[in-house]
Amino acid sequence: DAGITQSPRHKVTETGTPVTLRCHQTENHRYMYWYRQDPGHGLRLIHYSYGVKDTDKGEVSDGYSVSRSKTEDFLLTLESATSSQTSVYFCAIKGSSTEAFFGQGTRLTVV
Amino acid sequence: RKEVEQDPGPFNVPEGATVAFNCTYSNSASQSFFWYRQDCRKEPKLLMSVYSSGNEDGRFTAQLNRASQYISLLIRDSKLSDSATYLCVVPKGGSQGNLIFGKGTKLSVKP
Repeated sequence: DAGITQSPRHKVTETGTPVTLRCHQTENHRYMYWYRQDPGHGLRLIHYSYGVKDTDKGEVSDGYSVSRSKTEDFLLTLESATSSQTSVYFCAIKGSSTEAFFGQGTRLTVV
Repeated sequence: RKEVEQDPGPFNVPEGATVAFNCTYSNSASQSFFWYRQDCRKEPKLLMSVYSSGNEDGRFTAQLNRASQYISLLIRDSKLSDSATYLCVVPKGGSQGNLIFGKGTKLSVKP
């Protein structure tokens, strides 16, 4: 158990509304990641963080922003949700040897 | 060559069978590799790490062929509980060490 908690676990929201997903970790890991997983695409990196206030874009960052004001929390925000952002979102931390450990995921539906 | 490529399957095998999955990767500088297991509607979980020529853990064997840039996962004596999607994971390279996930190979073990 890597001590990663995602909230909410499920959310349905309307197109155009802002949405924030939270990832909380209890083991002081430096690196944290947000992925989305869609059929036919596998896991794709949205944004990642390598420390407090240090973040960078992944391969599918358009329409998303992140913030990390504390080591333990990494927030993913959809400023104006679109139907194409309907997905399963996973937060992850980096282990001691490059491997990643995942939270349980957030299932987001944009209607 | 794609960054990470896997046969999507599905592989349908009877209990007790031996099954092998292959994964090819493009980054010849990668030093570590991973196999993850993902059950339906769950997060990916680390199954095995591969740092040298291979790794064995019980019924599971991972092998690495650097010259041909492929990794394999062999499952012996398949159990019903092995049914899942298996993800091949390769570091992207660069200082951040971000991971590239294959789209996964689906395994279904039948009684």
